[in-house]
Amino acid sequence: SQTIHQWPATLVQPVGSPLSLECTVEGTSNPNLYWYRQAAGRGLQLLFYSVGIGQISSEVPQNLSASRPQDRQFILSSKKLLLSDSGFYLCAWSGQGVASREKLFFGSGTQLSVL
Amino acid sequence: QKEVEQNSGPLSVPEGAIASLNCTYSDRGSQSFFWYRQYSGKSPELIMFIYSNGDKEDGRFTAQLNKASQYVSLLIRDSQPSDSATYLCAVNSLPNFNKFYFGSGTKLNVKP
Repeated sequence: SQTIHQWPATLVQPVGSPLSLECTVEGTSNPNLYWYRQAAGRGLQLLFYSVGIGQISSEVPQNLSASRPQDRQFILSSKKLLLSDSGFYLCAWSGQGVASREKLFFGSGTQLSVL
Repeated sequence: QKEVEQNSGPLSVPEGAIASLNCTYSDRGSQSFFWYRQYSGKSPELIMFIYSNGDKEDGRFTAQLNKASQYVSLLIRDSQPSDSATYLCAVNSLPNFNKFYFGSGTKLNVKP
């Protein structure tokens, strides 16, 4: 069965510090990978998605970047965090079968507080 | 801009009642529809998906899809206090099924 690992669970960082969040998927090959952010009491905002190694699509201009150095590894980074980067960050994956029938599955999330 | 709209709630129902959650979407090209349950501080969990018009039942959950009216709903029968959570509606659509769009969620409170 497929599993998705995301760490750390919580993170407190000062403004202006760098960020690196990592996510790995097991039990599947060539997944689509996603980073979402959820502000307190809000819905999910798609930040980045990737359909393959080195292929990153950015959804919104922001202070963040993403990389996919390996097939099942997805990394979210920032060089200098802003207060507005605080939120619940979720990594997710979907398969690459019949595209209209694939489902999205989430990791356990990282609660980031920028102070 | 593809939009998915949900009433933020909270929706309060007594234990044992039917909870009805609704979602509308703007893109007529939407193909697949999903309901996620999210407990406070936790990640969303997929509980239902539906692709065709009509009803789909799974245990106490029924998803209903009406593409002509562009809405999808989730019914929870015999609601339990453990069903208290935020329910997120999501869709994916042409031209890029790789992108999943979410509503802001409806908070459900089931009172014992």
